[in-house]
This record gives sequence, C-alpha cells and structure tokens, in this order.
Amino acid sequence: DTAVSQTPKYLVTQMGNDKSIKCEQNLGHDTMYWYKQDSKKFLKIMFSYNNKELIINETVPNRFSPKSPDKAHLNLHINSLELGDSAVYFCASSQLFGGSGNTIYFGEGSWLTVV
Amino acid sequence: DQQVKQNSPSLSVQEGRISILNCDYTNSMFDYFLWYKKYPAEGPTFLISISSIKDKNEDGRFTVFLNKSAKHLSLHIVPSQPGDSAVYFCAAVGSGNTPLVFGKGTRLSVIA
Repeated sequence: DTAVSQTPKYLVTQMGNDKSIKCEQNLGHDTMYWYKQDSKKFLKIMFSYNNKELIINETVPNRFSPKSPDKAHLNLHINSLELGDSAVYFCASSQLFGGSGNTIYFGEGSWLTVV
Repeated sequence: DQQVKQNSPSLSVQEGRISILNCDYTNSMFDYFLWYKKYPAEGPTFLISISSIKDKNEDGRFTVFLNKSAKHLSLHIVPSQPGDSAVYFCAAVGSGNTPLVFGKGTRLSVIA
C-alpha cells in the first residue's frame, strides 16, 4: 500500500502544452511538498503546503501552480511547458513542517520530458 | 550556494567490506540530518537520521556519525551488500520553518 503516490510516472509532452501531476498521501501527514531533480541531480524544493496552506514557494516560475484540495492531495499544474522543465518531479509528505525529527517521505517520482 | 555537500559522486566497495559515505554542511543552524537511499526510477527512501544532540546513531548495518565541530557527517554500511547499490543523499534541516536541504548524492556500487 503506497504511502505517497503520484501520477503519471512518465510523461512526454510537447512544448507549450499544459500538464498536471497528481499526488496523494495516505500517511495522515499535515505537510506536502514538491521537489524537482534536474539534470544536475540536485533535489530542490519547489513548494510546500501545510494544512492546505502554501508555506514555501522557492522562486518557481508562475507557470507552475500547486493546488491542494485537501491535506492528502497536492497536485502540480504546469502551463506552457518549456524544454527546461524536463526533470523528475517528486511529491513528498511529512507530519510536520521543518525542524528536528521531521522525516520526509517521497513518492516514486514523475519523469517529465518536454520535446 | 551548496549548504550540503557530498564531494564524492561515486564509490565502489567490495561485498562484505565497509562503505563510508561522507557529507559536509555549511549552515550551523542545521540540527537534524538524514540519509536517503534512491534506486533508479524510484523515489528517495528514508534510511537513517541523527539529531545534533547525538554524535552517533545505529540501525542494523547502518551507522551515522556526526561531527558538529567539523560540520561533517558520515554513513557507514557494514557489511556492504550488492542490494545496497544505490544513490545515497545526505540531507539537513534546521529548526523552524526551514525546508530540508539535500546534497547532490553519492552513487554506491557494491561489487560481488
């Protein structure tokens, strides 16, 4: 029974398209995240939501818009896709936001390729 | 500016020997450190963590050591097994509303 699940796992799309990646966690956590792993393999935080409220927005273009309909879901919508958006996007969740003892659990990742 | 650094992109170790993965950090406000393991085409999986009030935490074959004065931590895996072959990410976080910061990862290959 997957704790953090995201769909689709693989997505190939053309430049200019709009796409969404969905994420759900069944851990009962209050905080959810989107991380991006780019071609240089860095895992960088994009957004964080705590109890459906946006906590972190790390200098991400406006084309990226997270939506949290409830605590268990955090979807990522991307408008006008560009070649540079090609990356692996990881959804994650944790009981708390930040601080000691706070372990983040990741989904399996969504491999986005923009052609 | 990289706050968490894993300077070795890769490491090869023979099965049964010890694997030592290193991590350095620059932010003195970090007080909780984690190691994640990642297989290809999967998400990072939490492995082991350590709080800054400790200098060692052990879980089976995995031990994490923290040297606060040197701002250095290391993950020891002993004995290493082929199934340990993966990318290992070091991560750190401070108190308050600060996000988890990851290193670039070290690819461990355990050779049978």
